[in-house]
Amino acid sequence: QSVVTQPPSATGTPGQRVTISCSGSNSNIGRHDVYWYQQLPGTAPKLLIYKTNQRPSGVPDRFSGSKSGTSASLAISGLRSEDEADYYCAVWDVTLSGAVFGGGTKLTVL
Amino acid sequence: QVQLVQSGSELKRPGASVKVSCKASGYTFTKYTMNWVRQAPGQGLEWMGWINANTGNPTYAQGFTGRFVFSLDTSVSTAYLQISSLKAEDTAVYYCARDSEGADYWGQGTLVTVSS
Repeated sequence: QSVVTQPPSATGTPGQRVTISCSGSNSNIGRHDVYWYQQLPGTAPKLLIYKTNQRPSGVPDRFSGSKSGTSASLAISGLRSEDEADYYCAVWDVTLSGAVFGGGTKLTVL
Repeated sequence: QVQLVQSGSELKRPGASVKVSCKASGYTFTKYTMNWVRQAPGQGLEWMGWINANTGNPTYAQGFTGRFVFSLDTSVSTAYLQISSLKAEDTAVYYCARDSEGADYWGQGTLVTVSS
């Protein structure tokens, strides 16, 4: 059981906007930046959002990140079939003195 | 361009050891910390820890102490993960990932299968 919680699944249709939540505590999200990773089937994870709301070069602006208190969110607008993947949040936890990943959210595009 | 190329799949017996390599290219190896991440079959990502490629100082996450060792050979820009006394539950894909405002570059992963 991770100290950071994500819903196991999310669903959307092409063109829709979906959000994926990441819930933590004052030991992690409440005091540190959040990172988001996309893992397409059978591939290595890819950095999608860094420092809570920054996009690496090459990541479309359809992807955005935010944080409020001890929760963070990843929003995907203009959903596409190729966005079907597993999404993970990650954050530093001061109690564990280490990074932690959320359990992951499988996004299905109908 | 930055690349991390990992060694190939391994099949090991319980109790054996394995050493996974991660060869970096396209950047100055000693300027970045290297993460190690585990993904068991059908499961999520687990941060195992990291190693400072400048100092060689490793940090291990809870649950990855004792049998897990991170090391470097800076002369060939390579990071290593060694796992000893392998157990069936060590069966997983192991990733190396460069740390720079998040894990910005990842290796392709190395599948380690532990089975008798």
